[in-house]
Amino acid sequence: DVKVTQSSRYLVKRTGEKVFLECVQDMDHENMFWYRQDPGLGLRLIYFSYDVKMKEKGDIPEGYSVSREKKERFSLILESASTNQTSMYLCASSSRGLAATDTQYFGPGTRLTVL
Amino acid sequence: AQKVTQAQTEISVVEKEDVTLDCVYETRDTTYYLFWYKQPPSGELVFLIRRNSFDEQNEISGRYSWNFQKSTSSFNFTITASQVVDSAVYFCARGNNNDMRFGAGTRLTVKP
Repeated sequence: DVKVTQSSRYLVKRTGEKVFLECVQDMDHENMFWYRQDPGLGLRLIYFSYDVKMKEKGDIPEGYSVSREKKERFSLILESASTNQTSMYLCASSSRGLAATDTQYFGPGTRLTVL
Repeated sequence: AQKVTQAQTEISVVEKEDVTLDCVYETRDTTYYLFWYKQPPSGELVFLIRRNSFDEQNEISGRYSWNFQKSTSSFNFTITASQVVDSAVYFCARGNNNDMRFGAGTRLTVKP
């Protein structure tokens, strides 16, 4: 079975802090994704990566950056956390192929609260 | 942006009732993929089905069935004889090239 893990289930940070969310997958998948989930808005793509050191902006990249130094690990960074970044963050991975055509496998999510 | 619309925000049924979750998508492409995911209270999205645009056959998997109607751009999901464990948020999604779009989700509550 594909396993996608995220470093924290719950996180509380203060405004202005730098926040790192980590995601690891164990299936040698090429593609990895970061989404945020907000009530009534579904999932919105922040960034995705189709290879090591490669990244593409999604729909809402502002205020976020990502890092993919190893194939299995994809990090989401909030450079200076703000209260409007309070949300559920979901990581996903998929195997080789166009990023939006293969099945994505999701981690359990990180619920981030910024005070 | 080409949207995916799940018009039903919340649905509540009593156990053993059948329930259909609607999904309507927009796309200008002839090749695309459609997905359904389930998000139980634990939070992790669980993959249910992937269907490509050239395969309009309906699919049945146990109590779950999917009706793909290309003419109306719909990909509806029916649960037959619902159970309490079916309570979750269900997301429909459409993917083509590098554009994956999720609907806002439908929260299904199945009462005993």
